[in-house]
Amino acid sequence: NAGVTQTPKFQVLKTGQSMTLQCAQDMNHEYMSWYRQDPGMGLRLIHYSVGAGITDQGEVPNGYNVSRSTTEDFPLRLLSAAPSQTSVYFCASKTGGAGSGETQYFGPGTRLLVL
Amino acid sequence: GENVEQHPSTLSVQEGDSAVIKCTYSDSASNYFPWYKQELGKGPQLIIDIRSNVGEKKDQRIAVTLNKTAKHFSLHITETQPEDSAVYFCAAPRAGNQFYFGTGTSLTVIP
Repeated sequence: NAGVTQTPKFQVLKTGQSMTLQCAQDMNHEYMSWYRQDPGMGLRLIHYSVGAGITDQGEVPNGYNVSRSTTEDFPLRLLSAAPSQTSVYFCASKTGGAGSGETQYFGPGTRLLVL
Repeated sequence: GENVEQHPSTLSVQEGDSAVIKCTYSDSASNYFPWYKQELGKGPQLIIDIRSNVGEKKDQRIAVTLNKTAKHFSLHITETQPEDSAVYFCAAPRAGNQFYFGTGTSLTVIP
């Protein structure tokens, strides 16, 4: 298994540009999430999905859209990039809910710089 | 909502000494607490977890303790080695079957 994969690894955008961060997992996990990591702020939840066709907002959803058309893929879209979205983005997946004890697997991250 | 506070933000120890990282949570219904290790340039990786029906769990040099009354849990690393140097995150469940994460502890083990 490849686990959780993310592309691209690094991206530079200009303010106002749009892009999609890709995330895929091959473990047949129901739950998938997107986090952003900023210095001193840990990991903050952007959006998450509990299964194909179901998504919901996390702590910091503004400026981001997601969709879950298949179990494997969970892309994150930036509609109009802003410098405040400069961050490292992690995708994660797991089998069960947060209290189930199932391991959450993280991808390697996408480093985004918005100029 | 659930908040997770983590201390300290940075920690330096001599090789062979112990390291302790503490987290507090606010939701008394929380029942599962994982700890993650993040090496430079990589995603977080689960290293140990504990459920609320036990007070302590060990895995070789790593242990986690849970005090439900005080709502805090701690990561203990004994006989630290240079490869333990990394950022460590605690987490606690939140609504939507997701997690709140602490702000991270940067551990440096000095050879």
